[in-house]
Order: sequence, then C-alpha cells, then structure tokens
Amino acid sequence: DAKTTQPTSMDCAEGRAANLPCNHSTISGNEYVYWYRQIHSQGPQYIIHGLKNNETNEMASLIITEDRKSSTLILPHATLRDTAVYYCIVRPSSNDYKLSFGAGTTVTVRA
Amino acid sequence: KAGVTQTPRYLIKTRGQQVTLSCSPISGHRSVSWYQQTPGQGLQFLFEYFSETQRNKGNFPGRFSGRQFSNSRSEMNVSTLELGDSALYLCASSLLGRRGLAGESAYEQYFGPGTRLTVT
Repeated sequence: DAKTTQPTSMDCAEGRAANLPCNHSTISGNEYVYWYRQIHSQGPQYIIHGLKNNETNEMASLIITEDRKSSTLILPHATLRDTAVYYCIVRPSSNDYKLSFGAGTTVTVRA
Repeated sequence: KAGVTQTPRYLIKTRGQQVTLSCSPISGHRSVSWYQQTPGQGLQFLFEYFSETQRNKGNFPGRFSGRQFSNSRSEMNVSTLELGDSALYLCASSLLGRRGLAGESAYEQYFGPGTRLTVT
C-alpha cells in the first residue's frame, strides 16, 4: 500500500472548520484514500473515503487533488468531541480486510 | 444495533503466560479481523476470519492464533507472552469482508473498543 504523510498535530477552535492535510504522492490508480479517527480509549472509526472525486457525508468532506497526490479532510464545524487522532491511509479496493495505520494527526479542538 | 464488543477490556499478565481475548461482532457480520496497536508500530493486522475460516494472516509469529465460531464470534490467543506483546488488541467486523458491487457499507470495518493487554 502507498505511504502517507500527515502533520503530527494540529489545533482547531470549536465551531471552526478543521482542515487536515495528507500527502500520498506514490498512490497508484486503483488505490482509495481513506480516513479514520480514533478517539482516546476507543477503537478506530471510519470517516470517509474516495478515489478521485470529492466526497461528503454527515461527518466530513474529502477533497482529493486532481493528480491524487494529496487530499484534505474537512470537519466543517469542529466540536470538542472531534478531538482525536486522524489517520489517512491509501489502499486497494480489494484489500478490505487489512488496515494499517501510521502515527496520524492528533487534532485538539479547543473551546 | 449493538456494536462490536470485546472482552475483557483490560488484562494484566506475566511473561510466559497465555491469554485469550474475545470479540463479538455486530449481529449479521461474518468477517472478523484482529489488529494489534502499539505506540511504536501503530496499527498492525493480525488475521481475518470469515465463516469460521482464517482467510488472511499478517506477519506475526505462530504464538498468535485465533478462531471463529459458527455464530461469528471470534477469539484470539497469544501463548508464551512477551513484554513486547503489551498492546491494544482491536477487533473489527464487517458484513461481508470483501469489496464488491454491493456498496461500501457492506465491506467497511467497524471496530470494537479493544482489549488493553499489559505483560509484566
């Protein structure tokens, strides 16, 4: 699977949008970009994923650059409960059973 | 619908002992995967079970084993515990466990809260 690079940490004010960048310059054509998060003392939680087009769901939006070498996860109105470690991973569509996370970005939402 | 449950939540064992962890998937889910999470190595895949058969295995020694029962509940066992086995062990279930045409939600993995194992 392609490797990803994320900032180690970032702060965000409550109620503001949080923009989390991820670089995946070696992504191949059949690999999806996935985002998960892990709140302290809980298991990872799926957020969103995409291949080429931008995606939006009830939790977040995913913006993928045209060359697919980077993406941004957007939490439109961050709340204190969004404080978590956010993981960006890329993986082939057929490789569903096997997830692998790196260090991720520790996001702290402040009141 | 109840989520993935794991028992016990916390466990302390000594080196050389063995341990069995349990996972109950979401009702109707047939695929169960196990992961080890440590600060140094991040999340690492252990193995995946589907319909009582181990379909895939990660790069862990034979001390790590698992099984799945007919009701999809799964257990993993670690024998001859080492200090380095201290970790959060996570179980994830998915409806079918392999991507296809039925839609993403059928294949997405839902994690339990994990079992925190400490080996002393």
